[in-house]
Amino acid sequence: DTQMTQSPSTLSASVGDRVTITCRASQSIDSWLAWYQQKPGRTPKLLMYKASHLGSGVPSRFSGRESGTEFTLMISSLQPDDFGTYYCQQYNTYPYTFGQGTKLKIK
Amino acid sequence: QVQMVESGGGVVQPGTSLRLSCTASNFSFSSYAMHWVRQAPGKGLEWVASILYNGFNEYYTDSVKGRFTVSRDNSKNTLFLQMNSLRREDTAVYYCTSAPDGDNWGQGALVTVSP
Repeated sequence: DTQMTQSPSTLSASVGDRVTITCRASQSIDSWLAWYQQKPGRTPKLLMYKASHLGSGVPSRFSGRESGTEFTLMISSLQPDDFGTYYCQQYNTYPYTFGQGTKLKIK
Repeated sequence: QVQMVESGGGVVQPGTSLRLSCTASNFSFSSYAMHWVRQAPGKGLEWVASILYNGFNEYYTDSVKGRFTVSRDNSKNTLFLQMNSLRREDTAVYYCTSAPDGDNWGQGALVTVSP
């Protein structure tokens, strides 16, 4: 099974900050990686698919990059609405696996 | 607008069964692989099971293999999850979804396994 290691587990940043969340796969997943945002009591929202493709209606301040088995989600200028928990998910092979999540708090 | 409506959640005792349903509308249901994802209280997302668009292949996380069965009825745009031999650790909100192939999610069905 492919393990996804996400870091950091928590993150506190200010409005306007540049924020980076990292996800590392235990083996090659090509670009089959998605990022989700989840707010308390809500369903997850797809932010990125295929590592760097923006989901429908997702603001352009979000971007995704990959370097081998390391993937990053970047928020160029943090906004108040960006609080929540972020998850990566590999969908290269079954079983699909999620990272453990990064809780992003706005200072 | 795509809608996915889940039903079938509830409170059950360990060792019993439950069947979740997820009915989609305004969505080309038969063209998509569909998935069940769960979230235990206060925990992260966990992929549970998937079924390909034509229903011919199913995949499961190890902890539910042999106990859960995913199926679909493309004529009724409906996805199912039959859960047998339920355990306390199966307590979670269960989401049906087509993600990451489209950002389409059910509202979640709470399953509580408790004596």
